[in-house]
Amino acid sequence: EAGVAQSPRYKIIEKRQSVAFWCNPISGHATLYWYQQILGQGPKLLIQFQNNGVVDDSQLPKDRFSAERLKGVDSTLKIQPAKLEDSAVYLCASSLDITGDYEQYFGPGTRLTVT
Amino acid sequence: AQRVTQPEKLLSVFKGAPVELKCNYSYSGSPELFWYVQYSRQRLQLLLRHISRESIKGFTADLNKGETSFHLKKPFAQEEDSAMYYCALHHTGSARQLTFGSGTQLTVLP
Repeated sequence: EAGVAQSPRYKIIEKRQSVAFWCNPISGHATLYWYQQILGQGPKLLIQFQNNGVVDDSQLPKDRFSAERLKGVDSTLKIQPAKLEDSAVYLCASSLDITGDYEQYFGPGTRLTVT
Repeated sequence: AQRVTQPEKLLSVFKGAPVELKCNYSYSGSPELFWYVQYSRQRLQLLLRHISRESIKGFTADLNKGETSFHLKKPFAQEEDSAMYYCALHHTGSARQLTFGSGTQLTVLP
């Protein structure tokens, strides 16, 4: 089966600019996650979707970050305006469901550099 | 609050030597623990989960609730084991989210 797809793979922007990341989960996977991985740290969950609804966004900096999954399939994560500390790899993951088979499958990530 | 600690950022062993990657956790509920691995230029992927009690690529991990540990072990390391290893804790309950440790970079020397 095709894996989780993410684009772009790399992005360099200046602080105060905006950026958007796209994720296409594995077909049929109801749950989608966005993680932020800062250099030297493990992934940190930003937001979790179940179909097109938000399950948890408690760690999403909502003053600058937003995410949507309008049709319950693809998702976009946006940062506006970006700060230097947003430099990180943004990982998207999907799982079949929250219950039952909940193994998370990760995408290749988008490496964001904010200058 | 849940927390996963991996005390070693870097670990080097020689091929054929035993390897142990340490993981300690703090969690008030009944934990589900996982090891994820990321090989060079590859995606983060699940290596093993404690509830399966299985050996994957020669690796095993035992959940020790008394010591709140979930160390990853392999008796004879191979060069292809060189990778970044992350211990993760699954929150039980409706959300089933993962909390990751900071990772250990394992290098197996020839």
